[in-house]
Amino acid sequence: DVKVTQSSRYLVKRTGEKVFLECVQDMDHENMFWYRQDPGLGLRLIYFSYDVKMKEKGDIPEGYSVSREKKERFSLILESASTNQTSMYLCASSFPRHAIYEQYFGPGTRLTVT
Amino acid sequence: SQQGEEDPQALSIQEGENATMNCSYKTSINNLQWYRQNSGRGLVHLILIRSNEREKHSGRLRVTLDTSKKSSSLLITASRAADTASYFCATVLHGSGNTGKLIFGQGTTLQVKP
Repeated sequence: DVKVTQSSRYLVKRTGEKVFLECVQDMDHENMFWYRQDPGLGLRLIYFSYDVKMKEKGDIPEGYSVSREKKERFSLILESASTNQTSMYLCASSFPRHAIYEQYFGPGTRLTVT
Repeated sequence: SQQGEEDPQALSIQEGENATMNCSYKTSINNLQWYRQNSGRGLVHLILIRSNEREKHSGRLRVTLDTSKKSSSLLITASRAADTASYFCATVLHGSGNTGKLIFGQGTTLQVKP
């Protein structure tokens, strides 16, 4: 079974702190994604990566950056956390099998910025 | 930007009844997928239907796709309390290359009462 793990289930940080959210997948997937999920807004794509060291902005990249130095690991960085970044963060991975792109999700990290 | 819109936003039924959720989208797709999310957890892939298919079954799940109306429906038959979750449709846009990017709907929250 594919496994996608996220470094923390719950995280509390202070405004202005630099925050790292880590995501690791064990199935050699090329594609990895970071979403945030807020009530009434569904899943919004922050950044995605389709190869090592490759990244593309999603719909809401402002205030975030990412790093993919190894194929299995995709990190989301909040350079200076703000209260409006309090949210549930979901990581996912997929691979281009016949253009299906089923995504496998991690359990999520609920981040609170105070 | 979110392509999918789901209807209804919330649905409450009794155990044993059928649940139907609808998803509409705006542009041409390669395939449409349905995901389930238990409260506070990551999403899990349920079923996929390709753009050249009209109906697909998996256990108690039945998915239909009408590309002329740009809509899909998910039917859960003989619902159980354990089906209580949020359900999301997601589309792979035609011509999206190998990025694997999915566009998620807002989701339908289903409550199945015992």
